[in-house]
Amino acid sequence: SQQGEEDPQALSIQEGENATMNCSYKTSINNLQWYRQNSGRGLVHLILIRSNEREKHSGRLRVTLDTSKKSSSLLITASRAADTASYFCADPYNTDKLIFGTGTRLQVFP
Amino acid sequence: ETGVTQSPTHLIKTRGQQVTLRCSSQSGHNTVSWYQQALGQGPQFIFQYYREEENGRGNFPPRFSGLQFPNYSSELNVNALELDDSALYLCASSQWPNNYGYTFGSGTRLTVV
Repeated sequence: SQQGEEDPQALSIQEGENATMNCSYKTSINNLQWYRQNSGRGLVHLILIRSNEREKHSGRLRVTLDTSKKSSSLLITASRAADTASYFCADPYNTDKLIFGTGTRLQVFP
Repeated sequence: ETGVTQSPTHLIKTRGQQVTLRCSSQSGHNTVSWYQQALGQGPQFIFQYYREEENGRGNFPPRFSGLQFPNYSSELNVNALELDDSALYLCASSQWPNNYGYTFGSGTRLTVV
């Protein structure tokens, strides 16, 4: 398994704006996963992108993957106050263990 | 289909005591992982259980131990509690091989005083 490193550490935007956060990793990926965590709660699985995919959409979420740069990005369009949370990326990479970084803390102001 | 349930939701213990946290995995999942999350940090991997055996461990001392039962539910035991053990403990279940992501419980908030 490998740890994804999220960037930026913190992001503040107004409602209606788009939010972009990035994830970098050191080795090959298999099934890169993005999670959201509301304050003090459990993590919620948002989206999974496989190594042979370049882009994936789910509602207002768009995830891209660049295997040559070993990076992924998560775009949240038309942000809402309810999107305020921490966002994490991770990939079990054949060991089925998710190792998380410190995440991106997103604050969306009404 | 039920999700992951953790109990208790909150717990206060005294330094030196022992604690047991419980987790019921999502129906159809055969793997359980435990995480410790200190305030402002990302979840730290403690260990994972698959088919009732420990299947990988993070950088945690032996006083952190666990069990997985035939119904795939799990326990996390921590002996000789220290103040630094105060954290949110998260349980996550998955189906190995994992192609669909993990399902997390809401966590147990442990405070050691």
